[in-house]
Amino acid sequence: SAVISQKPSRDICQRGTSLTIQCQVDSQVTMMFWYRQQPGQSLTLIATANQGSEATYESGFVIDKFPISRPNLTFSTLTVSNMSPEDSSIYLCSVMSGSRYGYTFGSGTRLTVV
Amino acid sequence: AQSVTQLDSQVPVFEEAPVELRCNYSSSVSVYLFWYVQYPNQGLQLLLKYLSGSTLVKGINGFEAEFNKSQTSFHLRKPSVHISDTAEYFCAVSERETGGFKTIFGAGTRLFVKA
Repeated sequence: SAVISQKPSRDICQRGTSLTIQCQVDSQVTMMFWYRQQPGQSLTLIATANQGSEATYESGFVIDKFPISRPNLTFSTLTVSNMSPEDSSIYLCSVMSGSRYGYTFGSGTRLTVV
Repeated sequence: AQSVTQLDSQVPVFEEAPVELRCNYSSSVSVYLFWYVQYPNQGLQLLLKYLSGSTLVKGINGFEAEFNKSQTSFHLRKPSVHISDTAEYFCAVSERETGGFKTIFGAGTRLFVKA
């Protein structure tokens, strides 16, 4: 299965600022997924990022708040914009080697907004 | 899957005791089923998966799960747990939809193994 390198692993940010999270995959993948895991909760899909097209956002998430880039088949970034304390979560990127193999996840970015 | 329910939010258990983490789902189509483990301050790691065939699936670290189609369940079991099994466990269900697959995660069960 694919290996994902995600960074930063954690950050503490001031409200009103933005943070960009990067994910690098060791193989080419068509789709990359970005999830949010709020404290004590399960994973919520933010958006699906395809190379060469705009990301598809889930209900409750908008591009202005969570812009995503997907410049090639091995890399993607998620930006959390104009942050507030409510954005404090773990953000995870993921790829799927066909659903037969389940998801492979990055190690996550633990974001704290103060 | 319309929903995935993990019936226990927390499961405390003594070391070397058996454990079962429960997962039920609702879906009107065929599904693929997964269990993931999340150790503290880490991402999710695939424990095991059911795609087809034998309903008893064995995964890593001595875990196994049984798919019960009539009860729409996929409970995770381990006959003897270790302190190192302390983690959050997520059940996930994937079903085919137009354009690909959709995956829903359960709310998670925190397994706490005590000495």
